[in-house]
Amino acid sequence: DVKVTQSSRYLVKRTGEKVFLECVQDMDHENMFWYRQDPGLGLRLIYFSYDVKMKEKGDIPEGYSVSREKKERFSLILESASTNQTSMYLCASRTGAKNIQYFGAGTRLSVL
Amino acid sequence: DQQVKQNSPSLSVQEGRISILNCDYTNSMFDYFLWYKKYPAEGPTFLISISSIKDKNEDGRFTVFLNKSAKHLSLHIVPSQPGDSAVYFCAASPFGNEKLTFGTGTRLTIIP
Repeated sequence: DVKVTQSSRYLVKRTGEKVFLECVQDMDHENMFWYRQDPGLGLRLIYFSYDVKMKEKGDIPEGYSVSREKKERFSLILESASTNQTSMYLCASRTGAKNIQYFGAGTRLSVL
Repeated sequence: DQQVKQNSPSLSVQEGRISILNCDYTNSMFDYFLWYKKYPAEGPTFLISISSIKDKNEDGRFTVFLNKSAKHLSLHIVPSQPGDSAVYFCAASPFGNEKLTFGTGTRLTIIP
């Protein structure tokens, strides 16, 4: 079974803080993704990494950056958290077969 | 521009009856389609997929139909069970592209 683990289920941060969301996968997948899920908007892609140290902007990268120093770990960084970044954040990794992405349980981030 | 649309935010179905969830897309380059199921406080889980060379794919109680000329796909669940109550997302990708574009989701409620 594929396991994608997000380090925190719930986080509460203050406006202006730097926030790190961590994601680890155990299936040696090349590709990893960060999404945010908001009511009525579905899942929107923030950033995507197709290999170690390689990254590509998704649909809504503003206010975010990412880091992928090791194949199994993909970090999402909010440089200066703002209230409009309050959301559910989902990490996924992808197998090459059939383009199926496997998701972590999510981190619900509240920025006050 | 919403390239994948799920026009019904919610759907209620009696237990034992058929549930039909619909999804429309606008990008003619999409050729692989997936359905994900999401329970509250959990990440989405892969349910079933279909490639554009097929018009139907079946897996147990779940069947996905693809109508390429109408750019429409649907997920049929029969018979519906209480455990099927969840939010369902459809997703699509072009050939050879690692990224998925998700719809906004449909909340399915199965009434016992």
